[in-house]
Amino acid sequence: DTGVSQNPRHKITKRGQNVTFRCDPISEHNRLYWYRQTLGQGPEFLTYFQNEAQLEKSRLLSDRFSAERPKGSFSTLEIQRTEQGDSAMYLCASSVGQTLNSPLHFGNGTRLTVT
Amino acid sequence: DQQVKQNSPSLSVQEGRISILNCDYTNSMFDYFLWYKKYPAEGPTFLISISSIKDKNEDGRFTVFLNKSAKHLSLHIVPSQPGDSAVYFCAASDDGGFKTIFGAGTRLFVKA
Repeated sequence: DTGVSQNPRHKITKRGQNVTFRCDPISEHNRLYWYRQTLGQGPEFLTYFQNEAQLEKSRLLSDRFSAERPKGSFSTLEIQRTEQGDSAMYLCASSVGQTLNSPLHFGNGTRLTVT
Repeated sequence: DQQVKQNSPSLSVQEGRISILNCDYTNSMFDYFLWYKKYPAEGPTFLISISSIKDKNEDGRFTVFLNKSAKHLSLHIVPSQPGDSAVYFCAASDDGGFKTIFGAGTRLFVKA
């Protein structure tokens, strides 16, 4: 079990630039989630995939954010025209979809700093 | 609107004593509750869970209690160990866990 892998671990970018993060879930997990965590807060739900289908998006996910999961394997989260308020830890998680209420397995996150 | 609330930002406990972390929720549709532990520079890791049809679940030193009428759950760690020092997140989900909502976390310090 290699766990959930996220790259890069850290990203520093200037305001207005685009950034893309990658998540490789645990191989047998068909559910994939993106969360965002800011200082002093718990993870906030952004979006969810069942295989390659994006089934739910939070209203936190503005039109500058887009997520994909081609072929139901890895996922990417892109933020266009970054703003300082986008600075946060972006967490990816996966779970087994065959059973209800299976816990989330998180990666170690990508910390984004927008200057 | 915070649906899951952890009102204690931090808790300090002596090694060997009991740690009690509390959590309140507002959404009566939640049917599955979880606790996650997070160390610095790592993602949260699953610790223990409880279904709404139960009022207690135990796993080694960790026990979760659920009081549905009060919309309250708690995590008991006994005996507490220095390695338990971490941030603990309470979380809840409904509809088969498609969306898990997290509290803000409680930082636990276990003093040796």
